[in-house]
Amino acid sequence: EAGVVQSPRYKIIEKKQPVAFWCNPISGHNTLYWYRQNLGQGPELLIRYENEEAVDDSQLPKDRFSAERLKGVDSTLKIQPAELGDSAVYLCASSLEGWAQDTNTEAFFGQGTRLTVV
Amino acid sequence: LAKTTQPISMDSYEGQEVNITCSHNNIATNDYITWYQQFPSQGPRFIIQGYKTKVTNEVASLFIPADRKSSTLSLPRVSLSDTAVYYCLVSGATNKLIFGTGTLLAVQP
Repeated sequence: EAGVVQSPRYKIIEKKQPVAFWCNPISGHNTLYWYRQNLGQGPELLIRYENEEAVDDSQLPKDRFSAERLKGVDSTLKIQPAELGDSAVYLCASSLEGWAQDTNTEAFFGQGTRLTVV
Repeated sequence: LAKTTQPISMDSYEGQEVNITCSHNNIATNDYITWYQQFPSQGPRFIIQGYKTKVTNEVASLFIPADRKSSTLSLPRVSLSDTAVYYCLVSGATNKLIFGTGTLLAVQP
């Protein structure tokens, strides 16, 4: 079975232009995460979905970033307009419903989209 | 959420055992400890997860003392391909995965 699929793998845009990233999680995974990773740093959580509901978007810069997960499956992350500081790798991850009584969950990550804003 | 502290970097040689320790003094009762590995240009990959005592799989071992305020990831007989960044995470019922800066392990011949 395919893992988490993200597209595109690379994107170069000029500042002030819009950009969108797409993520297809593993089938059956109801939790979906979007992360941003800057060079030399760990992934930073932007938003987390449980099915189609965004349960944690406290780190999402809502003035320019938006995300959606229609029907609780695929998800898109959009930036409009992009700024130079948005250059980073955007990672999507998915997992099964979290925290059962005696086990935690494993998140599976896609390869990411490397965004360069010039 | 429990914050984690781990060394920024570690060096090792092929064939050695590597132990990476992570501190999580504020770990909650419901929290699990999870370690991820990340190679350049790839997303993080799950290595191992535990709640207490010791967990072992085909890749690594995870040692967790009784107070659970720290954990140690043990990689037996590392090879060059184990060069990567290793992240320690603490998460529980919220299912919120928060990454720190990780430990860059450099394995030399």
